[in-house]
Amino acid sequence: DAGVIQSPRHEVTEMGQEVTLRCKPISGHNSLFWYRQTMMRGLELLIYFNNNVPIDDSGMPEDRFSAKMPNASFSTLKIQPSEPRDSAVYFCASSPGLAGAADTQYFGPGTRLTVL
Amino acid sequence: AQKVTQAQTEISVVEKEDVTLDCVYETRDTTYYLFWYKQPPSGELVFLIRRNSFDEQNEISGRYSWNFQKSTSSFNFTITASQVVDSAVYFCALSKGGGTSYGKLTFGQGTILTVHP
Repeated sequence: DAGVIQSPRHEVTEMGQEVTLRCKPISGHNSLFWYRQTMMRGLELLIYFNNNVPIDDSGMPEDRFSAKMPNASFSTLKIQPSEPRDSAVYFCASSPGLAGAADTQYFGPGTRLTVL
Repeated sequence: AQKVTQAQTEISVVEKEDVTLDCVYETRDTTYYLFWYKQPPSGELVFLIRRNSFDEQNEISGRYSWNFQKSTSSFNFTITASQVVDSAVYFCALSKGGGTSYGKLTFGQGTILTVHP
């Protein structure tokens, strides 16, 4: 079975450009999570969705970041405009999302973003 | 607020040694879940174990074992007879068991394990 799929795997862009990261969760999973990993801050949850609805976006750093989940099999994380401090590895994870349960989250391979 | 502390930043061992990675957590919830993930040099995060707060039985899976002690709020991970392939960053994580935001994982800072041949 396919795991969580993320694209692109690597992205290099210049400051001020728009960046879009993509994620396809495991089929049948109802919850989707976006994390950011940096040396300074470790792994941080940015936002998560349950049944395509954003449940908690308190981790989104600022208005430059936005996330959407138009359907159960696709989500995007957009940064506009990008800044060098956004350089990090961005992970997408999904879980079965059973109500009231803290399911195991399965992570994608990550997107390594470098903003010059 | 929830917090996970992995006090060991880096551990270095020689192959075949046993090694224990410590994890201490803080939470006010009575129902919660604890996890361990492995991040090998290739970068992906690999799930190892999930434990709920009502199950304090120790668990063994091959060379891996986990010791959960609510009295000390610890969930330690032991690798027996370590191998070079065990070299990775290991993360302990905590999640609420119910209510709002039950899916959120709070991660520790990670422990870098290096196993030398």
